[in-house]
Formats: sequence, structure tokens, C-alpha cells
Amino acid sequence: DAGVIQSPRHEVTEMGQEVTLRCKPISGHNSLFWYRQTMMRGLELLIYFNNNVPIDDSGMPEDRFSAKMPNASFSTLKIQPSEPRDSAVYFCASSLTPSSNQPQHFGDGTRLSIL
Amino acid sequence: AQSVTQLDSHVSVSEGTPVLLRCNYSSSYSPSLFWYVQHPNKGLQLLLKYTSAATLVKGINGFEAEFKKSETSFHLTKPSAHMSDAAEYFCVVSDPLLPGANNLFFGTGTRLTVIP
Repeated sequence: DAGVIQSPRHEVTEMGQEVTLRCKPISGHNSLFWYRQTMMRGLELLIYFNNNVPIDDSGMPEDRFSAKMPNASFSTLKIQPSEPRDSAVYFCASSLTPSSNQPQHFGDGTRLSIL
Repeated sequence: AQSVTQLDSHVSVSEGTPVLLRCNYSSSYSPSLFWYVQHPNKGLQLLLKYTSAATLVKGINGFEAEFKKSETSFHLTKPSAHMSDAAEYFCVVSDPLLPGANNLFFGTGTRLTVIP
């Protein structure tokens, strides 16, 4: 039973470069979430989708960040241009619905380092 | 406003002794409550959840938590710690009155160390 799959697991790149993070949610899950985790700020919700439609992107830090979900089995989070302060672990999670009593299932994350 | 407070940033126990990780929440309505565990270089894994059914909730790996409305607490316990329990633990509260996924409030985490 495959869980949420994220790629790459690690990414190191120079500032100014475009970064694309990928996520495959659990099959049958209708909601997908992107989080960022840092020591200073903990876990922050960036954006979430329901049925492939972005519902709330108020957590996206700025216009350099964008997310897409072209189909039910794939989502991307893109940073362009990247900056050192974007260095963090980015998690994708999915759940059956966005309901408050539905647990989210997390991928293992992408550790992003911007030099 | 909703919030969740994990009272200890770090807990250290000896292997075989009980574990207590404390969590207090504030919520204007009947919340759902979760405990997640995060092992190094891994994502968060659901340990257990409370959604207004039995107040004592049993989870995976021998963990359980008790919802105490009068104390607004949802402490996580385990009778006997195992080395593999060493990880970061997050208490999460959700408010059903808020729309969508922004109804989740994560605690700052408690790092559990298990001493051999």
C-alpha cells in the first residue's frame, strides 16, 4: 500500500534557480496539502487542493511560489527564483477529504537547500 | 481562537519506563485532536485521533491518549518506552467550525529521547 510519494528527497541548488518539488498522493484521496517545516517556524501550511482545485493558498509566502495539481495523482510546488531563505523541508500530505476529522498522510519530504 | 500548547519541548525517559507527553488545547467548539510522530528524515505519521467518540483513544505502537474536556488536555502516554519511540511528537487540534485545511493547528513538537 503506497503512501504519499515525494521527489526528490534532497535538492541543493544555487539561489536564483528554479526548483520543482513533486508529489503523488495516495490513490483515492481527494485532498492534497503542501507544508513547509523549519526550525524557526515549525510546520506551515502553504496551500491545499480539493479535487485538484486550489482551495486556499493564503500560506504561500510570495509570488515566487506556485503550486499546481493537473490531475488527481500528481502535484508540483515550484519556486522561481529560489532564495536561501526558502531552505526548509517541504512536505506533501493527502487525505480523503479536507474535513477536520480526517487524518492527513504525509510523505517523507523534500529537504531543500538554497545556496 | 484555536491553539495547541505542548508543554515540554524535550522529554527524556529510560527504556522500559512510562512516557507522558503533554498537550493542552483551546477550542471554541468540540475539536478533533490528533497525535503525530515524526522520525528523523521522515514525514509525520498518525499515531491516534480523537473525534468525539470514546475519550480514551488507543493508537499504534502502544500509545494512547485521553481527552479531558474539563482540563482541555490530550496527553499522550505509553506504559513502557522502547528505543524506537525516540522521535518528535506533534499534537494537532482542528476546529470543525473553520473551513478547509486551515482548521488544523500544530503544536511546536516534543522531542522524546529514550535512554538505553
